Amino acid sequence: DAGITQSPRHKVTETGTPVTLRCHQTENHRYMYWYRQDPGHGLRLIHYSYGVKDTDKGEVSDGYSVSRSKTEDFLLTLESATSSQTSVYFCAISESTYTDTQYFGPGTRLTVL
Amino acid sequence: RKEVEQDPGPFNVPEGATVAFNCTYSNSASQSFFWYRQDCRKEPKLLMSVYSSGNEDGRFTAQLNRASQYISLLIRDSKLSDSATYLCVVNSGAGSYQLTFGKGTKLSVIP
Repeated sequence: DAGITQSPRHKVTETGTPVTLRCHQTENHRYMYWYRQDPGHGLRLIHYSYGVKDTDKGEVSDGYSVSRSKTEDFLLTLESATSSQTSVYFCAISESTYTDTQYFGPGTRLTVL
Repeated sequence: RKEVEQDPGPFNVPEGATVAFNCTYSNSASQSFFWYRQDCRKEPKLLMSVYSSGNEDGRFTAQLNRASQYISLLIRDSKLSDSATYLCVVNSGAGSYQLTFGKGTKLSVIP
């Protein structure tokens, strides 16, 4: 299995509070991604990174920001959590480009009350 | 706009059966195609990439029809351990970093 960890694995928070999820990889892969998965939807891309300090928006980026100050860490921040952001969040990594396999972390279950 | 469509199932099949999943995609510029497997409350894991010539990995065979924008996955001699949700995944076009995931097809293999 690819060396990807996510923290926390579970979190319950209240509407309006800031939340930061962390993805850590030990594979030295260049590309990192944040997805959310909700019932009735496929995995949807929130943000991705193609290098340190290089990030871009995905399909559902509103309400989220990201940062990548080191190759191994990719942070996802919900500045002011809303109930619609209750979801399972997966981090993924890939070595090179879109043709390369994406490997997923174990996920973070976030509940916003 | 549904970019990757799959039959959600569930498919309930007996052990030893052969089962086929289908997937259609809307972006004709897509270059990369995959099947992922996701167990309940777990992360998706790559099952196999799908090549134009078709490819086989043990009991699993994947086919791609670019003209019809159609991908298939065939599982032969189903095992109880094959029970999972199978995700059809397509990249968003040449030069794109983005993958588009289908909602998945749920398979239950019954003893």
